[in-house]
Amino acid sequence: QKEVEQDPGPLSVPEGAIVSLNCTYSNSAFQYFMWYRQYSRKGPELLMYTYSSGNKEDGRFTAQVDKSSKYISLFIRDSQPSDSATYLCAMSGGGATNKLIFGTGTLLAVQP
Amino acid sequence: GAVVSQHPSWVICKSGTSVKIECRSLDFQATTMFWYRQFPKQSLMLMATSNEGSKATYEQGVEKDKFLINHASLTLSTLTVTSAHPEDSSFYICSALLGGRSQPQHFGDGTRLSIL
Repeated sequence: QKEVEQDPGPLSVPEGAIVSLNCTYSNSAFQYFMWYRQYSRKGPELLMYTYSSGNKEDGRFTAQVDKSSKYISLFIRDSQPSDSATYLCAMSGGGATNKLIFGTGTLLAVQP
Repeated sequence: GAVVSQHPSWVICKSGTSVKIECRSLDFQATTMFWYRQFPKQSLMLMATSNEGSKATYEQGVEKDKFLINHASLTLSTLTVTSAHPEDSSFYICSALLGGRSQPQHFGDGTRLSIL
C-alpha cells in the first residue's frame, strides 16, 4: 500500500463547476499537508498549505484536512479552463528532513 | 512570483557528456534544497536533499557518483549528471525551503534533459 493514494483521473468538468480532489494517506505522523498545481512541463506551484486538521480558504480554493480519517481534499469553485493542470497532494511529518511524500497527481481538464 | 529559479529549462546533449543544472533561491536564503526527478505522467521522485556547506543526502537507489550535488552557497545548489546516457533523460526539478523545516517547499520550473 502506498503512503499516499490519489486518483490519477483524468477528471473532466465543464467551466464553472465545483471540483473536488482528494487524497488518502496511511501515515498518522503526517502533520503538514499541501496541494500543488503543475502545468505541463513546469514545476509544481504551491496552492494551499495547512497544518493539522481543519479548513483553509484562499479565493476559489478550499483545502480540508481530516486527520481522523486520514483524508484531505481540495475544492475549486467556479472552475476555469486555466485551472486545467495536474494537481498533486503532498504531505510531511515536518521532521528533521522535511521530506515530502507526493500523491500520483490528478489530471484535471476544465472544458470551456 | 517565482521564488526558485532553475537553469537551463531544456538541454539536449550527446551520450557520455556531463550536464550541470542550477537551482537558485531568489530573495531568500535556502539552507536546504531538494532535487527531484519526474518521468512522464508520474509523480515526483526525491533524489537527494542538499544542505548548504555539507554533503547531500541521497535517497536509496540514487547513485551519488552519477548525480553530483553541490550546495556551495545559501542561494545556489547544482546538480551535475555525469557521463549521461539516454536512460538519464528525464525532467529534473529542484525545490527550496522558504524558512524553517515546517515551511512548504517551493519548486523551480524544472529542467528537461534529453540525452541522444
